[in-house]
Amino acid sequence: DQQVKQNSPSLSVQEGRISILNCDYTNSMFDYFLWYKKYPAEGPTFLISISSIKDKNEDGRFTVFLNKSAKHLSLHIVPSQPGDSAVYFCAASVTGGTSYGKLTFGQGTILTVHP
Amino acid sequence: NAGVTQTPKFRILKIGQSMTLQCTQDMNHNYMYWYRQDPGMGLKLIYYSVGAGITDKGEVPNGYNVSRSTTEDFPLRLELAAPSQTSVYFCASSYHGQSEAFFGQGTRLTVV
Repeated sequence: DQQVKQNSPSLSVQEGRISILNCDYTNSMFDYFLWYKKYPAEGPTFLISISSIKDKNEDGRFTVFLNKSAKHLSLHIVPSQPGDSAVYFCAASVTGGTSYGKLTFGQGTILTVHP
Repeated sequence: NAGVTQTPKFRILKIGQSMTLQCTQDMNHNYMYWYRQDPGMGLKLIYYSVGAGITDKGEVPNGYNVSRSTTEDFPLRLELAAPSQTSVYFCASSYHGQSEAFFGQGTRLTVV
């Protein structure tokens, strides 16, 4: 039972255009969502997060949108740069109780930004 | 800034052998985690710890053991290696349960 799903295994975008990566979740208890970026042979690095009390969070070129009713979040990268080419993981957690920050990850989306 | 350090980076094990994957962090984080990533899949939680002396199972704990004797170190033990444990292993730490986790560079393990 995959609680966090990234249905697009890959995405190809031209430099300067917008990249939109999508993520769906099924567990309504999730209240904190994160995006991680991963380059080959490296560990994931934190990109941006959003709490369920918000519907949007921006950090420079990166914006995450959360639609709680649809159990859907998306990451927008504008403008996309070749250095953004990486695997992007969506992750979710339940912050209360005994969750202790345990993350549930999606399968990842490979983003390729062409010059 | 070392952050989260994992050793070794690569290892090949024979079926039935045992080994310990080392993880240490220098950020004074209370929370530490072990994840594994199989090809084309997301990361799955093996074990986690909320402080020295406290550990608990994650989603896929079978075949593994952990200990947390200090805040800094969180080793992962494989007792009887099996081909199903071929994977990339990531250690992570976080300040508390509502902050982002920092990951090590990973250990690529192959069991043959």
